[in-house]
Amino acid sequence: NAGVTQTPKFQVLKTGQSMTLQCAQDMNHEYMSWYRQDPGMGLRLIHYSVGAGITDQGEVPNGYNVSRSTTEDFPLRLLSAAPSQTSVYFCASSPAGAKNIQYFGAGTRLSVL
Amino acid sequence: AQSVTQPDIHITVSEGASLELRCNYSYGATPYLFWYVQSPGQGLQLLLKYFSGDTLVQGIKGFEAEFKRSQSSFNLRKPSVHWSDAAEYFCAVGASGGSYIPTFGRGTSLIVHP
Repeated sequence: NAGVTQTPKFQVLKTGQSMTLQCAQDMNHEYMSWYRQDPGMGLRLIHYSVGAGITDQGEVPNGYNVSRSTTEDFPLRLLSAAPSQTSVYFCASSPAGAKNIQYFGAGTRLSVL
Repeated sequence: AQSVTQPDIHITVSEGASLELRCNYSYGATPYLFWYVQSPGQGLQLLLKYFSGDTLVQGIKGFEAEFKRSQSSFNLRKPSVHWSDAAEYFCAVGASGGSYIPTFGRGTSLIVHP
């Protein structure tokens, strides 16, 4: 009964470091997406995927890379972390189609010093 | 492209009082509308959704929402708030054609006074 699993839960980076936020889902959902949540800004879409091998940019993609080699996994890579990327990151998955609700992970809280 | 506006950043109510959280959307065709709740330190959980049909929809935890096409609104209501309802609430709109990912509003933080 895992649903969407995000690791790590917390991370502190120094400016310029790289890291990968992991996201895995066990519901065989076609769609997966990454959001960042900042105070007063709500949820902003970073990247999304509608299936293995297919990704697209969302509202705020700069500084982030994604890939989707399997249905289950959708990692988010920060290539060179910046203080502006300090945020809470959420991964979500859903079955195909706009009517389907999204299932969210518990989030990763990232601080970039 | 669709968009969502939640005009209230914070709402404060007393326990037992009624609640209405506002949501306005912009989309040219029939929207798919959602309300999600985020408890502190948690991910988002679906409260309710509207696709078509009856404009008053019931959700979990005693919440309901009414779709008003003429006002482009989808306001969330609860007749009597409990202290455990204190959370962040997000309205979202999904497009019936095109984008597969819903657009979220900025959220409304609900504070409940005892």
